[in-house]
Amino acid sequence: GESVGLHLPTLSVQEGDNSIINCAYSNSASDYFIWYKQESGKGPQFIIDIRSNMDKRQGQRVTVLLNKTVKHLSLQIAATQPGDSAVYFCAENRNTGRRALTFGSGTRLQVQP
Amino acid sequence: EPEVTQTPSHQVTQMGQEVILRCVPISNHLYFYWYRQILGQKVEFLVSFYNNEISEKSEIFDDQFSVERPDGSNFTLKIRSTKLEDSAMYFCASSVLTGGAYEQYFGPGTRLTVT
Repeated sequence: GESVGLHLPTLSVQEGDNSIINCAYSNSASDYFIWYKQESGKGPQFIIDIRSNMDKRQGQRVTVLLNKTVKHLSLQIAATQPGDSAVYFCAENRNTGRRALTFGSGTRLQVQP
Repeated sequence: EPEVTQTPSHQVTQMGQEVILRCVPISNHLYFYWYRQILGQKVEFLVSFYNNEISEKSEIFDDQFSVERPDGSNFTLKIRSTKLEDSAMYFCASSVLTGGAYEQYFGPGTRLTVT
């Protein structure tokens, strides 16, 4: 069945290092992906999105890579800061008139000072 | 910067009672959504709403749930007879475009506790 899942539940990095958070998806019909950041007690915060006709998209300190061949999505955070500590979710949307987002289970990023 | 707001931040209710969760989406957005997140679990889609009607709903969104846009700014989720398993964070979201999911912006959530 459909699933959006994450490889690692917790990622611990040193401040200043780059972080890579991974996500696997199984629905080959998915054509739009989003990364969200969720801090404790808050709602998901939009970080960056990417369409399936792209394989890379860059934002401020963040890059999303999409590998459709192996159905893999990653979020790279450059020069990770303590404020980046949160749970990161990938989410997908299918281009079938649906607008619902299917969320992954999340990866907790812990930034050590 | 415009943001989605939700009230109340925390609602405690007894099993069998009705609750109404309120949301004010971003003003120029056209699509509205409700999601929920049971503690420690994934965010799950409940329903999407456009042009004053439900456009999509999940299996979770059964007859106990309803949504309404009572005026030009509010968007509500009603649970008619709450169950213990309805305890969760409920997030409202909105998006501007009509053609797809496109950057859904989430509110801070309402924590619903059913006792």
